[in-house]
Amino acid sequence: DQQVKQNSPSLSVQEGRISILNCDYTNSMFDYFLWYKKYPAEGPTFLISISSIKDKNEDGRFTVFLNKSAKHLSLHIVPSQPGDSAVYFCAASAGKTSYDKVIFGPGTSLSVIP
Amino acid sequence: GAVVSQHPSRVICKSGTSVKIECRSLDFQATTMFWYRQFPKQSLMLMATSNEGSKATYEQGVEKDKFLINHASLTLSTLTVTSAHPEDSSFYICSAPVNYGYTFGSGTRLTVV
Repeated sequence: DQQVKQNSPSLSVQEGRISILNCDYTNSMFDYFLWYKKYPAEGPTFLISISSIKDKNEDGRFTVFLNKSAKHLSLHIVPSQPGDSAVYFCAASAGKTSYDKVIFGPGTSLSVIP
Repeated sequence: GAVVSQHPSRVICKSGTSVKIECRSLDFQATTMFWYRQFPKQSLMLMATSNEGSKATYEQGVEKDKFLINHASLTLSTLTVTSAHPEDSSFYICSAPVNYGYTFGSGTRLTVV
């Protein structure tokens, strides 16, 4: 059973527009969420995270929104750039310690069209 | 930032041989290392968690005797795929917890022929 879901396997967005990547989770014990960006044949790179005590975290062009009641989070990229084209993984863990496992979603492939 | 160096990046081996993948934390001490496997167009699947100086914890369905994990020091964790078969061909990635979340190695593409 998939605990972290990204129901859109792919997304295409025009350069300069907003990219919205969605993520849903089922485990109510999750309280720390992360977004990673991954290029082919490379390891994921950390983008942004959010703790369950917040509903929004912003870092430059990237903003993550968390709706705990809906068990839903989203990553907004504004404005989208061609270099943002990659696979984006949503991940969740039940805590932020050295012993917490991170559960990844299946990823959404974002294509930003120039 | 915290860096995990993973080697090799690519390896091709014959069926029945063993392959060792190394992950080194370069500028921090990694008491814990997570090992993931990714199948094409699928998510990263956690295989096991290694802790320095103790036995690794394997996820359900992962064969301990096939995927040997060693975490002998605070800067080195290794994954050995023993008696590799073509179905073991995959992308393997290690990850260590850091203050902002987790840092990843660059991954190893294993192809078993």
